[in-house]
Amino acid sequence: DTAVSQTPKYLVTQMGNDKSIKCEQNLGHDTMYWYKQDSKKFLKIMFSYNNKELIINETVPNRFSPKSPDKAHLNLHINSLELGDSAVYFCASSQVQGAGNTEAFFGQGTRLTVV
Amino acid sequence: QQQVKQSPQSLIVQKGGISIINCAYENTAFDYFPWYQQFPGKGPALLIAIRPDVSEKKEGRFTISFNKSAKQFSLHIMDSQPGDSATYFCAASNSGYALNFGKGTSLLVTP
Repeated sequence: DTAVSQTPKYLVTQMGNDKSIKCEQNLGHDTMYWYKQDSKKFLKIMFSYNNKELIINETVPNRFSPKSPDKAHLNLHINSLELGDSAVYFCASSQVQGAGNTEAFFGQGTRLTVV
Repeated sequence: QQQVKQSPQSLIVQKGGISIINCAYENTAFDYFPWYQQFPGKGPALLIAIRPDVSEKKEGRFTISFNKSAKQFSLHIMDSQPGDSATYFCAASNSGYALNFGKGTSLLVTP
């Protein structure tokens, strides 16, 4: 049973299109994240949700809109895709308890290629 | 700006050798320092983590050394094996909800 699963694994699309990436976790965690890994492998936080509430929104273009229908799901919708959006997007989850984080579990990633 | 600085960018070690990766941070509010290992085509996976009240933590062949006054921490991989070849990321967070990652170190362990 995959702890954090995201779909699709690969996504190739044309500039200007709108696409969504879905994420589900079965760990019972209260916090979910989207990270972006660029071509140089740098991992950067995009969004964080705690119990369906947005708590971190880094400097991300507003073409990116996360949605959390319940605390086990966090989807990422991207409008008007641009070449620079090509990257690997990782969903993650963790159980944030009091002082200090606990382990964040990552999905397998979605490789987005915009052509 | 980059909150966690990691070096070296790449590292080649012979089988059986010691791999050492270093990280430095500025934000003294950080209170959780994990290391993640990533294989090609996979998501990062937690390798080992430390909190600032401890100066060293060892799990098998992997050890984190933590120097709070210098705001530095490092990962030592003893008896490195070809199967350890991967990208390693240090990270830090401050009881918040996101990890600030270093830029990663690509480790190659040669037979």
